Amino acid sequence: DIQMTQSPSSLSASVGDSVTITCRASQSISRYLCWFQHKAGKAPKLLIYAASTLQSGVPSRFSGSGSGTDFTLTINSLQPEDFATYYCQQTYSVPQTFGQGTKVEVK
Amino acid sequence: EVELLESGGGLIQPGGSLRLSCATSGFTFSNFALSWVRQAPGKGLEWVSVISASGGNRYYADSVQGRFTISRDNSRNTLYLQMNALRGEDTALYYCAKLAVAHSTGDFDSWGQGTLVTVSS
Repeated sequence: DIQMTQSPSSLSASVGDSVTITCRASQSISRYLCWFQHKAGKAPKLLIYAASTLQSGVPSRFSGSGSGTDFTLTINSLQPEDFATYYCQQTYSVPQTFGQGTKVEVK
Repeated sequence: EVELLESGGGLIQPGGSLRLSCATSGFTFSNFALSWVRQAPGKGLEWVSVISASGGNRYYADSVQGRFTISRDNSRNTLYLQMNALRGEDTALYYCAKLAVAHSTGDFDSWGQGTLVTVSS
C-alpha cells in the first residue's frame, strides 16, 4: 500500500495569512493526488484533483502543486470559512490512502 | 445536484452484523464507481472499499477484508455495505463517496454526510 504523510498535523493562522500543507507519498504517484477540506459533521469537500486542478466552484485562493512523491496545498489570504481539516489522498492505486490530516486552527 | 444519503448505522454488539445503505440521486448511477470511507472518533479518514460502475470489480482495505461486502443495485441507485463480525475498532462515521470515473480508482467528487456505527457491548 502507498503511505501518505502530511505535515504539519496542525497549524495556527490568522485571517489573511497564507498557509502551506505538504503531502509526501511513499512511492511515485505521478499527479494522482487530491486535496479535501473537511469540517466536523459535514461531508468532505473535494478542492483539488490531479495535484493542481481546482474543482469547480472552489475559490482561487486554493492551489495545489507537485508530482511524483511531493505535493503541496497552499491557501492564500485565509478566510474564516477555511478553518477546517485538510486531507490529501492518492488516487494512483487501490487502496486509495489518505494522509493523516492537517487541522488549520485560528491563532 | 448530486446527493448521497447514508443510512443504517447504529449501536451494535461486537460480533454482530449491520448493513449500511447509500441512496443517491442527481447523476447516472450506473456510470460511476462508488466507495465507502470511514472516520473513527478523533481519527482521520480511512478508505474502506470501492466498487466499479458495473459492480464487476470490488476492493477492500485489509482491515475489513473477509468481513465487509460492498454491493450496488443499479436499478435502485443505491450502494450497500454489509458489515459482519463487527469489532470495536469498526466504530466510526461511515461515508459513501462517488468517484468521477467508472473504474475503481479516481477522484471522490461527491460525498454523503455519513452514518454513525458504534460497536460496543
